[in-house]
Amino acid sequence: DSGVTQTPKHLITATGQRVTLRCSPRSGDLSVYWYQQSLDQGLQFLIQYYNGEERAKGNILERFSAQQFPDLHSELNLSSLELGDSALYFCASSVDRVQETQYFGPGTRLLVL
Amino acid sequence: GQQLNQSPQSMFIQEGEDVSMNCTSSSIFNTWLWYKQDPGEGPVLLIALYKAGELTSNGRLTAQFGITRKDSFLNISASIPSDVGIYFCAGQPLNAGNNRKLIWGLGTSLAVNP
Repeated sequence: DSGVTQTPKHLITATGQRVTLRCSPRSGDLSVYWYQQSLDQGLQFLIQYYNGEERAKGNILERFSAQQFPDLHSELNLSSLELGDSALYFCASSVDRVQETQYFGPGTRLLVL
Repeated sequence: GQQLNQSPQSMFIQEGEDVSMNCTSSSIFNTWLWYKQDPGEGPVLLIALYKAGELTSNGRLTAQFGITRKDSFLNISASIPSDVGIYFCAGQPLNAGNNRKLIWGLGTSLAVNP
C-alpha cells in the first residue's frame, strides 16, 4: 500500500459526459501528479500540482482539468468524454515539487461507452 | 515529448532465469527510478538511483546508474512467477531547469513460465 488513495476504482459512463476522479496523496506529500495509461501504452503525464498550485503540465487535453485543494487532495475533471478517453488514470504523490520518487495510487479505470 | 528508450519491449522467460533490461537516454540524467506495475494496479517504486555508478539492490533486484549518466540497468535474478508485470524506468534530466519533469520509458513487459 503506497498510501495514495484514489476513488472511484471503476467508472463507466457515456460519450459526452463529465466525470471527476479523486485522489488523496500520502500523508506529508505536497505534490500530486495525474497520469493516463491507455491499453498497452506507457504512462502519459497529464499534470502536476504542488501545494495547491499548478506546477507542470504534460499532454493534458483542454477537455481535462485538475485542481488541488487546501487539504492537498486533488481532483481530475474529464469532460465531453470520448471513446478514446477510456483508460486507467493514476494519481501519484511526492514530498516536494521535484518530480522524483513518486508513489502511485491504485488507479481509476474509466470506460467510456 | 522526450522519452526514454527502454528495452527489450517484452520478455518471456522460464522460472529461475535471470533477467536484464535497460533504459537509455540521449541526454544526461541525475536520477533514475525503476517501477513495477502489476496488471490492473499502480506502478510501485522498486529502486531509486541518484549517483553515477551507483549500484543498488532490493532483494533479487539490482539496478545501476550508468557511468555515462545516460543509461540505467535493472537485473532480476532467479525469476519467479510473481515477477510478471511491466517494468518502467523513469529519470530526471540533469539540465531541466525549472521544468524538472520525470521522463518515462514505455516499459518492459515480463512474462515468466513456471
